[in-house]
Amino acid sequence: GAGVSQSPSNKVTEKGKDVELRCDPISGHTALYWYRQRLGQGLEFLIYFQGNSAPDKSGLPSDRFSAERTGESVSTLTIQRTQQEDSAVYLCATVTGATQYFGPGTRLLVL
Amino acid sequence: AQKVTQAQTEISVVEKEDVTLDCVYETRDTTYYLFWYKQPPSGELVFLIRRNSFDEQNEISGRYSWNFQKSTSSFNFTITASQVVDSAVYFCALIPGGGTSYGKLTFGQGTILTVHP
Repeated sequence: GAGVSQSPSNKVTEKGKDVELRCDPISGHTALYWYRQRLGQGLEFLIYFQGNSAPDKSGLPSDRFSAERTGESVSTLTIQRTQQEDSAVYLCATVTGATQYFGPGTRLLVL
Repeated sequence: AQKVTQAQTEISVVEKEDVTLDCVYETRDTTYYLFWYKQPPSGELVFLIRRNSFDEQNEISGRYSWNFQKSTSSFNFTITASQVVDSAVYFCALIPGGGTSYGKLTFGQGTILTVHP
């Protein structure tokens, strides 16, 4: 990809616990996206940040999901009171030109 | 709303065969971008191509070629002389509107390509 990194690469948690996923975008890339990919499915848009503008949260599936980003820096996606259906790969993407480049993802397993 | 359909869930071929992955899209926007991404077993999404709605020229890159037909709302992807390393999930995707870099991608469900030696 274009140098986007995500951590952790894998996360196993128990149902009901909170988890925090991190995305480090390329420096200077103002737009950042979070997507979710459930097993065997395509990607679902979650949230989009553009500079200091209000984020587009239209894809967040419930109020247990939230994300933060300050300016053009690191973004964190938080899932509170995790459920088994939250198990998925969470991908972060940054934009170069008109193309989104993806990080390696965080594989979340909720037991 | 946008929609991307990849009707082929899984394709299996033998090495050196040609294979075409189909993609059909729906959008009310007159301007949009179309994409193909590859997701190998490692899981990372790899960008392959971007095409804007004003450019219907077909494109070839090595063994890869893309056929964009606005009249049928299709953006098909052909791999010539397939290789085992081409085995992956391939996603077609669309961003609507105005050529903006910042629209959210709508993905198809993906096509699993398996190339056997």
